[in-house]
Amino acid sequence: DGGITQSPKYLFRKEGQNVTLSCEQNLNHDAMYWYRQDPGQGLRLIYYSQIVNDFQKGDIAEGYSVSREKKESFPLTVTSAQKNPTAFYLCASTILGGGGANEQFFGPGTRLTVL
Amino acid sequence: KNQVEQSPQSLIILEGKNCTLQCNYTVSPFSNLRWYKQDTGRGPVSLTIMTFSENTKSNGRYTATLDADTKQSSLHITASQLSDSASYICVVSETGRRALTFGSGTRLQVQP
Repeated sequence: DGGITQSPKYLFRKEGQNVTLSCEQNLNHDAMYWYRQDPGQGLRLIYYSQIVNDFQKGDIAEGYSVSREKKESFPLTVTSAQKNPTAFYLCASTILGGGGANEQFFGPGTRLTVL
Repeated sequence: KNQVEQSPQSLIILEGKNCTLQCNYTVSPFSNLRWYKQDTGRGPVSLTIMTFSENTKSNGRYTATLDADTKQSSLHITASQLSDSASYICVVSETGRRALTFGSGTRLQVQP
């Protein structure tokens, strides 16, 4: 069954804790992305990676960190430095090339709540 | 600054009725525009993609239009069904950049 998986679906964090959100894809896609979705706002890019062991900051990278040790995996760590981490987090992937017309496929999302 | 504005913010219609959602953008240079459907608590799923040279694209009961001169797009849903209840997101891609610009979405509720 091909696709993108994210885990966990729901995550609760106490203030001051770091948490890691998992994103795995078996689509053999080169690029992977992390977005944050807040009510009434469009998705905002946190980080993206086009190749293993390389990643770039998006528009709202502060307080987040990522790694890309394997092509299939792109975990996101929400650190205690992120002031307002409660949100819905979406991971996406796509193949490169195609002049930017390639579809980004999204995972089912992780809802993070800070207690 | 690249922006994508969608209207209305929310919409309620009766089952079987048609509706049209609007998207205006300022992204330049323009590469392509997608409409995504996002069910509550799920990831978005692509409905259509349109490039500069295309002005209409259909996917079943969904028909997207694009006017690249006025930088406007619309998504028309025909004979709505309860399963059409979702958020519809307009996403614009800029030539030469990996990043996408997302609209905030239109939340559609179809009532029986």
